[in-house]
Amino acid sequence: SAVISQKPSRDICQRGTSLTIQCQVDSQVTMMFWYRQQPGQSLTLIATANQGSEATYESGFVIDKFPISRPNLTFSTLTVSNMSPEDSSIYLCSVSDRGSYGYTFGSGTRLTVV
Amino acid sequence: AQSVTQPDIHITVSEGASLELRCNYSYGATPYLFWYVQSPGQGLQLLLKYFSGDTLVQGIKGFEAEFKRSQSSFNLRKPSVHWSDAAEYFCAVGFGDYKLSFGAGTTVTVRA
Repeated sequence: SAVISQKPSRDICQRGTSLTIQCQVDSQVTMMFWYRQQPGQSLTLIATANQGSEATYESGFVIDKFPISRPNLTFSTLTVSNMSPEDSSIYLCSVSDRGSYGYTFGSGTRLTVV
Repeated sequence: AQSVTQPDIHITVSEGASLELRCNYSYGATPYLFWYVQSPGQGLQLLLKYFSGDTLVQGIKGFEAEFKRSQSSFNLRKPSVHWSDAAEYFCAVGFGDYKLSFGAGTTVTVRA
């Protein structure tokens, strides 16, 4: 299955600033996903990032707040913009590994906004 | 509407005892079914998955799960838990659009 490298692993940020999270995959994948896991909660899908097209956002998430880039089949970034303490969460990227019909997750980025 | 339910928020089990975690879904067809485990401060690790075929699925770390179409369930089991099994367990369901929906999770505590 695919191996995902996600950076940074954690960060503490000031409110009003932005953080870009990187997700690098060791193989070409069609679909990449970004999830948010708020403290003590389950995972919620933010958006699906496909190479060569705009990301598709889930209800409650907007591009201005969570812009996503997908420049090629092995890389994607998620930016958390104009952060507030409510954005403190773990953010995870995931890829659909169609060869094994599974989904692999990165180790996550633990974000704290102060 | 499509949904995933994990009825048990928290389960405490003694080391060596059996464990069963429940997962139910609402969907008009057979979805893709997964169980993930998340240890404190860690990412998600896939325990097992079901797409079709034999309804009893074997996974890693001694876990197994059984798909029951009539009950729309995919319960996770382990015959004898180890202290290292203390973690958060998530049931996830793919409803055919390549996106996963996660249950709320079940926290497993293992007592000595």
